[in-house]
Amino acid sequence: GAVVSQHPSRVICKSGTSVKIECRSLDFQATTMFWYRQFPKQSLMLMATSNEGSKATYEQGVEKDKFLINHASLTLSTLTVTSAHPEDSSFYICSAIFQGQGAEKLFFGSGTQLSVL
Amino acid sequence: QQQVKQSPQSLIVQKGGISIINCAYENTAFDYFPWYQQFPGKGPALLIAIRPDVSEKKEGRFTISFNKSAKQFSLHIMDSQPGDSATYFCAANTGFQKLVFGTGTRLLVSP
Repeated sequence: GAVVSQHPSRVICKSGTSVKIECRSLDFQATTMFWYRQFPKQSLMLMATSNEGSKATYEQGVEKDKFLINHASLTLSTLTVTSAHPEDSSFYICSAIFQGQGAEKLFFGSGTQLSVL
Repeated sequence: QQQVKQSPQSLIVQKGGISIINCAYENTAFDYFPWYQQFPGKGPALLIAIRPDVSEKKEGRFTISFNKSAKQFSLHIMDSQPGDSATYFCAANTGFQKLVFGTGTRLLVSP
């Protein structure tokens, strides 16, 4: 199956700093990627839809200035958590749409655990 | 209307037993219903998916049953194994893979 690589897998940062998370489609091109946030023992909440070459579409309640998304190429989307605070600590997951073999499938990265001290 | 309700929240099944997880939805525009398996600290992995024109789909030990009139679908794991212990999420979407996830079910298969 298609592979989505997410990096880093874990990051610890000080309050007030910015953190960048990368999501790459390794063996396919993805014009659309999604970013989710997951709190412990809870479901995935869609944060935004990332479209290559255009602005991301954010879900209601997600601060676009706080969570900067850049999808500069067909294989890479980045999520930058700006001026991170402890309440931003969470598990962030990306996904990418794979189009092939007559179907569309969604593949997920392995997630990034962000801890803000 | 965008919610997908999932039950039970947690489930303990003996090895070799059948695990059953249920989901219900309201939005009749949903046309794709996948199930994902997630291990701790990892992203979800697609297990099996179904479209509303089919009432059942089986892949190995995993079966989805779909009841369009009741707006319900379920995952059955036959011959459950300890390695199946994970969190399972149902989901639904309209067309473009923008998924709405259920609340998750933590499955523990006892040896």
